[in-house]
Amino acid sequence: QSALTQPASVSGSPGQSITISCTGTSSDVGTYNLVSWYQQHPGNAPKFMIYEVTKRPSGVSNRFSGSKSGNTASLTISGLQAEDEADYYCCSYTGSSTYVVFGGGTKLTVL
Amino acid sequence: EVQLVQSGAEVKKPGESLKISCKGSGYSFTTYWIAWVRQMPGKGLEWMGIIYPGDSDTRYSPSFQGQVTISADKSISTAYLQWSSLKASDTAVYYCARRSTRSWTDLDYWGQGTQVTVSS
Repeated sequence: QSALTQPASVSGSPGQSITISCTGTSSDVGTYNLVSWYQQHPGNAPKFMIYEVTKRPSGVSNRFSGSKSGNTASLTISGLQAEDEADYYCCSYTGSSTYVVFGGGTKLTVL
Repeated sequence: EVQLVQSGAEVKKPGESLKISCKGSGYSFTTYWIAWVRQMPGKGLEWMGIIYPGDSDTRYSPSFQGQVTISADKSISTAYLQWSSLKASDTAVYYCARRSTRSWTDLDYWGQGTQVTVSS
């Protein structure tokens, strides 16, 4: 099972919105509404940000939202803040012996 | 408070064995799966495998099957990741994470990571 495809980098200015895409296949993202997103600041463990495509765990800002269309899931961050600068990873269930696959990660730069 | 506390950094030589640990607290350790995730230097996250400490049911990603062993000792609320013969390519940070009750992709609490360096 190949990793999900994410852009290597995205950038935006404070206050703007950005969207990070996560493209899989009909065997993972396209079939299951089991896509999660993680935020990782340098030197830190990942943080759980979105689950089941669109839902936010308790404590996660409502500036973070998720969506899905076909084989592509997306994470949108609105009202960009300096503290959002981090790496973001998507993750999907695969329904096979692979179980779970991560995306390659996207580095978000806040200009 | 849910916590996963991992063992400290390790420096090993190729061919040596290693077992790192992840101790859970603040929740019922036996009723949540614990996953292991690799992050090689400058690279992304890779799901290695997962164990249910209640009955030691273990699943591996095909990429890691036969390369590592995941185990758990529920009496001390600790999960383990071990290698019998390390390679330089095993150099990475290894995270343990608790899988929520919802789905395989929901890793809601993470350990701080264990740096493993394999070098001659």
